[in-house]
Amino acid sequence: DGGITQSPKYLFRKEGQNVTLSCEQNLNHDAMYWYRQDPGQGLRLIYYSQIVNDFQKGDIAEGYSVSREKKESFPLTVTSAQKNPTAFYLCASSIQNPGLGSQYFGPGTRLTVL
Amino acid sequence: QKEVEQNSGPLSVPEGAIASLNCTYSDRGSQSFFWYRQYSGKSPELIMFIYSNGDKEDGRFTAQLNKASQYVSLLIRDSQPSDSATYLCAVNARWTSYDKVIFGPGTSLSVIP
Repeated sequence: DGGITQSPKYLFRKEGQNVTLSCEQNLNHDAMYWYRQDPGQGLRLIYYSQIVNDFQKGDIAEGYSVSREKKESFPLTVTSAQKNPTAFYLCASSIQNPGLGSQYFGPGTRLTVL
Repeated sequence: QKEVEQNSGPLSVPEGAIASLNCTYSDRGSQSFFWYRQYSGKSPELIMFIYSNGDKEDGRFTAQLNKASQYVSLLIRDSQPSDSATYLCAVNARWTSYDKVIFGPGTSLSVIP
């Protein structure tokens, strides 16, 4: 089955700790995205990547980092510099430029700071 | 700042009625418009995509687009309790050399049996 997988489903982070969220897709999509969702708010773009080895900061990139070494994978690291990381993190992919095609989402990772 | 606005709700409708969800956007250059459904604790699921003025129908769902008024809506006919969810409106906007998608805050829909 084609789709997007995210792991882990739940993640707990201690103060000062870096954590990495995994995102893998087998849809052969070029573009991948990371969003953050807080209660009662819309999705906010953290980073996106249109092609391998290239990525762009979104609206709230501070305290986050990404890599895109393979087309299928787009991991997100939440660093200790992100002061309020508790949120629902969503990875998405699309064939190309999202203005021309729809985004499809993974099941999400819920991150909680202890 | 390019924005997408929706009534947060909650919108309550009886089972079998028509639910009407509304969305306005600020970027006149937007070309693509999306509706996503998000159940509590789950990720968004694409249910409609429209890019031409007028109506687009898919089963019980109809998306209506009016670019002159910068308005897009979603109608759900014969609403079912399983339609109870948050509906996110999303719009593309030009950004750097690519477009990005801007999401509204969502409208919570409750269908009462």
